[in-house]
Amino acid sequence: SCVLTQPPSLSVAPGQTAEITCDGNKIGTKSVHWYQQKAGQAPLLVVSDHGDRASGIPGRFSGSNFGNTATLTISRVEAGDEADYYCQVLDGTCDPSRVLFGGGTKLTVL
Amino acid sequence: QITLEESGPTLVKPTQTLTLTCTFSGFSLSTPGVGVGWIRQPPGKALEWLALIYSDDDKLYSPSLNSRLTISKDTSKKQVVLTMTNMNPVDTGTYYCAHKPRATTKFDFWGQGTLVTVSS
Repeated sequence: SCVLTQPPSLSVAPGQTAEITCDGNKIGTKSVHWYQQKAGQAPLLVVSDHGDRASGIPGRFSGSNFGNTATLTISRVEAGDEADYYCQVLDGTCDPSRVLFGGGTKLTVL
Repeated sequence: QITLEESGPTLVKPTQTLTLTCTFSGFSLSTPGVGVGWIRQPPGKALEWLALIYSDDDKLYSPSLNSRLTISKDTSKKQVVLTMTNMNPVDTGTYYCAHKPRATTKFDFWGQGTLVTVSS
């Protein structure tokens, strides 16, 4: 089905690793993009395509994608990473083709 | 430097038609593979994709809103226009336009968004 599923929330202590998942049918065959959205701001591309970091994004952010799950990993989490995170694909296997966003994961830094 | 800016009414009445304009700079919508998309976000809720137009004028629409949406471009004015008919209070939210580069399916630059409220 043409749906991307994310956990609604994730809580991580500073310095720990956050893994945000995005489930979708055969998502491992697609280019997955991740956006960070802080309160009151527009979404910001952080990781795209096959795990490439966007310009200015620290190396603590990385992406992986295999099978039916894509994962955004944030290492050494900082207070400033607290935000909503969304995955996105453009799925040409859906009929009609469409852009899909996951439901978003709210990352809380304890 | 790529920038996008959304403009349009902040308040519309139920059943009215919403017209939003995305004015952009720093790229050409005549470059093959480039596109501009519209995405909205109800208050406190998730992002929802609405429509995407490519440089060759190919268009994609959200299936759930397809009957209400029209996207168009004016390459010379560097604008993309989205119309949404029969507006309803549930359509209240922030509407964003975003740039899609060639040879990829990501949105790498976004406008700051415009808040549209649907109320009588």
